[in-house]
Amino acid sequence: NAGVTQTPKFQVLKTGQSMTLQCAQDMNHEYMSWYRQDPGMGLRLIHYSVGAGITDQGEVPNGYNVSRSTTEDFPLRLLSAAPSQTSVYFCASSLGGDMGYGYTFGSGTRLTVV
Amino acid sequence: TQLLEQSPQFLSIQEGENLTVYCNSSSVFSSLQWYRQEPGEGPVLLVTVVTGGEVKKLKRLTFQFGDARKDSSLHITAAQPGDTGLYLCAGKASGTYKYIFGTGTRLKVLA
Repeated sequence: NAGVTQTPKFQVLKTGQSMTLQCAQDMNHEYMSWYRQDPGMGLRLIHYSVGAGITDQGEVPNGYNVSRSTTEDFPLRLLSAAPSQTSVYFCASSLGGDMGYGYTFGSGTRLTVV
Repeated sequence: TQLLEQSPQFLSIQEGENLTVYCNSSSVFSSLQWYRQEPGEGPVLLVTVVTGGEVKKLKRLTFQFGDARKDSSLHITAAQPGDTGLYLCAGKASGTYKYIFGTGTRLKVLA
């Protein structure tokens, strides 16, 4: 059981380049989310999805796009990378609902924009 | 905008000491979770609390959800070096799908 798989683990981009961070889960979870983690800032929600075909913005969505064509996959696209997007990105999935099921996190993608 | 404030931000203690970490907000949450994160890894869920006043124990860790469901605490008894890590609380407001994380408490337990 792989859980949540994120690729790549490390990436260096030049300012203005675009790229897609991949996230896949094999637990049939409805909820998936993308967070970024910066020093001293905790985790900030970028985008989230409550099921295939449904996405919504989190706290810091600018500069990022998402789509959810299948239950398993939730890619995050950086449209035109900026140094301010240097961060560690985490994808997470959950059964969802109001029972408070916890998130299972991937191991993260460390992105540097130069 | 929901805000979850954790205190203290940093804590360095000797093995065997007790400690409490706090998570506070002005918002009401339908559920609140605690995670621990180690360097280079994603956060790992420790516990979920859903009822105001609820207390849950996980070995030497005791979690409490405030009566008004706006705050929570994590108490560690007789801390061990293996407890070292970043502790994060996360809350979900009723009627929303978003989990908002606190700023974290970085704990270091010295042998």
